[in-house]
Amino acid sequence: AQKVTQAQTEISVVEKEDVTLDCVYETRDTTYYLFWYKQPPSGELVFLIRRNSFDEQNEISGRYSWNFQKSTSSFNFTITASQVVDSAVYFCAPSSSNTGKLIFGQGTTLQVKP
Amino acid sequence: ETGVTQTPRHLVMGMTNKKSLKCEQHLGHNAMYWYKQSAKKPLELMFVYSLEERVENNSVPSRFSPECPNSSHLFLHLHTLQPEDSALYLCASSQEAGLPHEKLFFGSGTQLSVL
Repeated sequence: AQKVTQAQTEISVVEKEDVTLDCVYETRDTTYYLFWYKQPPSGELVFLIRRNSFDEQNEISGRYSWNFQKSTSSFNFTITASQVVDSAVYFCAPSSSNTGKLIFGQGTTLQVKP
Repeated sequence: ETGVTQTPRHLVMGMTNKKSLKCEQHLGHNAMYWYKQSAKKPLELMFVYSLEERVENNSVPSRFSPECPNSSHLFLHLHTLQPEDSALYLCASSQEAGLPHEKLFFGSGTQLSVL
């Protein structure tokens, strides 16, 4: 069975704070991809990042960084120096190499206050 | 012009009405999807089309009827809906269907309320 857990339902920070969104993906698949999507109030989900299960190298892209640890099944996403425009719902979404389907987590609502 | 466009943005309908949701993608993709997003629930995949052929139907009730006349257009025909069908319906597209590395491009959704 596959299970994706975003334990944080809501997070509230003040602008310029760093914030980390947690995601745990439990699966018996040996190969898979991990995605993060952002859903602003306008409704459309926007692709942010994609990693494959073979690559545990952590990366930074602008204010975004991510930390993937296969041993703990965690794929965390960090926003540095948060801005009000970062306020949105963030979804962790693994996809199975077997089915090709995305499995969406429950989402974490991030509120960045000025 | 945005990549994936959905109309209408909002729809209120009675349980006996018939309505249709429209989705159009301008990205040259071969796969299109319908997702349902209800409050407090994860996104649920409803239908997948690849080159106008339905390749996935996730046990969706027959009161939801999809149509894909070409690779750029996708419809969701609605009839005799129930109040629990009220949700945000999202359309998405990708280059191909069924590949785990494919990223999806979403529309802004249609917020449906069934009275």
